[in-house]
Amino acid sequence: GNSVTQMEGPVTLSEEAFLTINCTYTATGYPSLFWYVQYPGEGLQLLLKATKADDKGSNKGFEATYRKETTSFHLEKGSVQVSDSAVYFCALTGMDSSYKLIFGSGTRLLVRP
Amino acid sequence: DAGITQSPRHKVTETGTPVTLRCHQTENHRYMYWYRQDPGHGLRLIHYSYGVKDTDKGEVSDGYSVSRSKTEDFLLTLESATSSQTSVYFCAISERETGELFFGEGSRLTVL
Repeated sequence: GNSVTQMEGPVTLSEEAFLTINCTYTATGYPSLFWYVQYPGEGLQLLLKATKADDKGSNKGFEATYRKETTSFHLEKGSVQVSDSAVYFCALTGMDSSYKLIFGSGTRLLVRP
Repeated sequence: DAGITQSPRHKVTETGTPVTLRCHQTENHRYMYWYRQDPGHGLRLIHYSYGVKDTDKGEVSDGYSVSRSKTEDFLLTLESATSSQTSVYFCAISERETGELFFGEGSRLTVL
């Protein structure tokens, strides 16, 4: 079935550093891909998404490009802030193209002032 | 913010007791989901609903049942709680099948 693998954390960066969180996937068909973010003590919220190959999702300075050739959807941000400290989850749609999302294990990001 | 309320937010119970978690939404969304979050596993789907009285199993449904008698309420029941069901449970809703889920704040369950 479909699955997603994220880099293990925690990722610790200084403010204004460049961020990359790796996400690769295994899927049949053409899944949609998502990044969700979970701030401390809260539920998840959608950060960005891409529905087909070469699409770039973007939001709040974060970007991710749907790369079918490398089965990847890496999350990037050019200059992180302390307020970006959170857990980031990569997700994709299930094998039957349903929107019962399959989530990665999450990557914790800690940004120091 | 999407109107999703989970209750209780925290619960400690003993092995073998029944537990019911409630998810209440005020958005009139069709789809509702229950996920559990565990370290190293991310979120895993337990059950979901695509309408009143229409439910189906997710990836980790063993030991759980659900009911949806009204659009706004989705109940998750552990008939006989076990320590392996200690987790944080999240309810999510969506209006359409787009993958954009709105999550509640979670219910932390500890089974001793």
